[in-house]
Amino acid sequence: DIQMTQSPSSLSASVGDRVTITCRASQDISNYLAWFHQKPGKAPKSLIYGASSLQSGVPSKFSGSGSGTDFTLTISSLQPDDFGTYYCQQYSSYPLTFGGGTKLEIK
Amino acid sequence: QVQLVQSGAEVKKPGASVKISCKASGYTFTTYFIHWVRQAPGQGLEWVGVINPGGGPTRFAQRFQGRVTMTRDTSTSTVYLDLRRLASDDTAVYYCTREGDNSAFDSWGQGTLVAVSS
Repeated sequence: DIQMTQSPSSLSASVGDRVTITCRASQDISNYLAWFHQKPGKAPKSLIYGASSLQSGVPSKFSGSGSGTDFTLTISSLQPDDFGTYYCQQYSSYPLTFGGGTKLEIK
Repeated sequence: QVQLVQSGAEVKKPGASVKISCKASGYTFTTYFIHWVRQAPGQGLEWVGVINPGGGPTRFAQRFQGRVTMTRDTSTSTVYLDLRRLASDDTAVYYCTREGDNSAFDSWGQGTLVAVSS
């Protein structure tokens, strides 16, 4: 199975800040990498697919990059609605696997 | 618009079975795979398996082999997850999610809590 490792596991930031979350795959997954955002008690929301393409309706303040084993999610100009937990996920091969999550909190 | 609406919460005893549903609307049901993902309390996301509503074999995570079944009813655009021999560590919110045109998840159901307790 492909292991997905996110860092940091938690992050504290202020409104208006720019933050970056990293995700590393245990083997080459090309660009088959997605990012999700989840708020407490809610279903995840799909943000990015193909490592860098925004899902429909997702604002351009979210951006993704990377290929192979190393990926990043950057969120610019943080707003209160952006806080919560972010997950990466590989869909290169079964079983599909997720990173452990990065909890983004308000400073 | 794409919608996935799941059935309500379930409380089950250890050893029992549970069957939860996910009703799709807003698109051609048989065109897109549906995956199930679960989340234990305070934990991360875990992939359970995938079904092709258009027919064909299903796939599951190894840990669920032998005790999970996924089925679909094309007349009602609904997929079902049947999990048997429940244990306390099956307590989780179960989400259905659609695999979109780009092979990534694009829409999610609201989640179904399955609580297993004696």
